[in-house]
Amino acid sequence: KQEVTQIPAALSVPEGENLVLNCSFTDSAIYNLQWFRQDPGKGLTSLLLIQSSQREQTSGRLNASLDKSSGRSTLYIAASQPGDSATYLCAVNDQAGTALIFGKGTTLSVSS
Amino acid sequence: SQTIHQWPATLVQPVGSPLSLECTVEGTSNPNLYWYRQAAGRGLQLLFYSVGIGQISSEVPQNLSASRPQDRQFILSSKKLLLSDSGFYLCAWSVYSGNTIYFGEGSWLTVV
Repeated sequence: KQEVTQIPAALSVPEGENLVLNCSFTDSAIYNLQWFRQDPGKGLTSLLLIQSSQREQTSGRLNASLDKSSGRSTLYIAASQPGDSATYLCAVNDQAGTALIFGKGTTLSVSS
Repeated sequence: SQTIHQWPATLVQPVGSPLSLECTVEGTSNPNLYWYRQAAGRGLQLLFYSVGIGQISSEVPQNLSASRPQDRQFILSSKKLLLSDSGFYLCAWSVYSGNTIYFGEGSWLTVV
């Protein structure tokens, strides 16, 4: 059974720092991996999707990498801003492509 | 452009009462539809998904049910709520399984 783990559970950084959020999954046979952002009490916003054949995806200050063989993904946020404060969730699609399996998220706080 | 609507946004229901959460998607045809639940400290759990009208797959046994009476309408129901049903319920859609998934704003359910 696929399990997704995110470390750390919470992270506090000063504005301007570069940071890395980690995601690991137990079964490397994934279809794709997605990173989401969730603001308190709100729904999820898709940030990046990496297909299993890809190594990374970039959007603005965000860069997500995927090492499928080792079961790991990282989300790199450059020059963090207070507006980046949110919970970041990692999720994988299993081979059937029907079920997104989520980690519990990393709650990021960026102070000005 | 595609949009997803979910309602009600919040509700407080007594134990044993019925539940109906509704979700509609606009701007696309034959989407895959999903219901997730996010309980405190437990991450997102997939409850139901549907690949077409009348086609519902359940991921976990529970006293909840889902229906898809129209192509872009997905309803989550219960005949008798339990305290453990409290949580944040999220509807989502994707063009096909394994593609980027888009979430609604969520419904906060408190069972008292």
